[in-house]
Amino acid sequence: GAVVSQHPSWVICKSGTSVKIECRSLDFQATTMFWYRQFPKQSLMLMATSNEGSKATYEQGVEKDKFLINHASLTLSTLTVTSAHPEDSSFYICSARDPRADTQYFGPGTRLTVL
Amino acid sequence: KQEVTQIPAALSVPEGENLVLNCSFTDSAIYNLQWFRQDPGKGLTSLLLIQSSQREQTSGRLNASLDKSSGRSTLYIAASQPGDSATYLCAVRSPGTASKLTFGTGTRLQVTL
Repeated sequence: GAVVSQHPSWVICKSGTSVKIECRSLDFQATTMFWYRQFPKQSLMLMATSNEGSKATYEQGVEKDKFLINHASLTLSTLTVTSAHPEDSSFYICSARDPRADTQYFGPGTRLTVL
Repeated sequence: KQEVTQIPAALSVPEGENLVLNCSFTDSAIYNLQWFRQDPGKGLTSLLLIQSSQREQTSGRLNASLDKSSGRSTLYIAASQPGDSATYLCAVRSPGTASKLTFGTGTRLQVTL
């Protein structure tokens, strides 16, 4: 299947700093990417839908000024957690939709720990 | 709003047993349903995808069924192995939602020797 990468795989930061997570589709062009958050032993919760060349669509309850999403190219979307706090510590997973197969492929996830 | 539930939340079985994982969803108007596997601290691996017009899909020791009218899907794992230990998630894609997936709560499976 298609490959989606995330970078970094884990990050530890101090409270108040900003962290950027990258999501790349390696062998296909993705007009749509998705960002999920997963707390320990819980399921994935969709945060936002990232559309190439346009503004992201955020799910209810997700602060768009805190979680900045940029989808500047067909193979890259970034999620920036601004002014991170300990409650933002979580596992962040992206997925990219391959339009050829109409299927989402998931990245390996990024573990964020905010001290 | 679509809600997806999985039962049981956790399951421990001895190696070699056949087992069934359950997934239920509240809105039967779905586009497709997908089963994923997630190992601890890792991303998702797609196992099976069932279109709304299909009743089941098979891959190796895995068989997934779909009863759209009753809002249920099952994942059947035959002859379980310790390597099957993981969390299994089902996800529903609803029509007209720009490919968004709604995930279930997951079933943590442990297959013991």
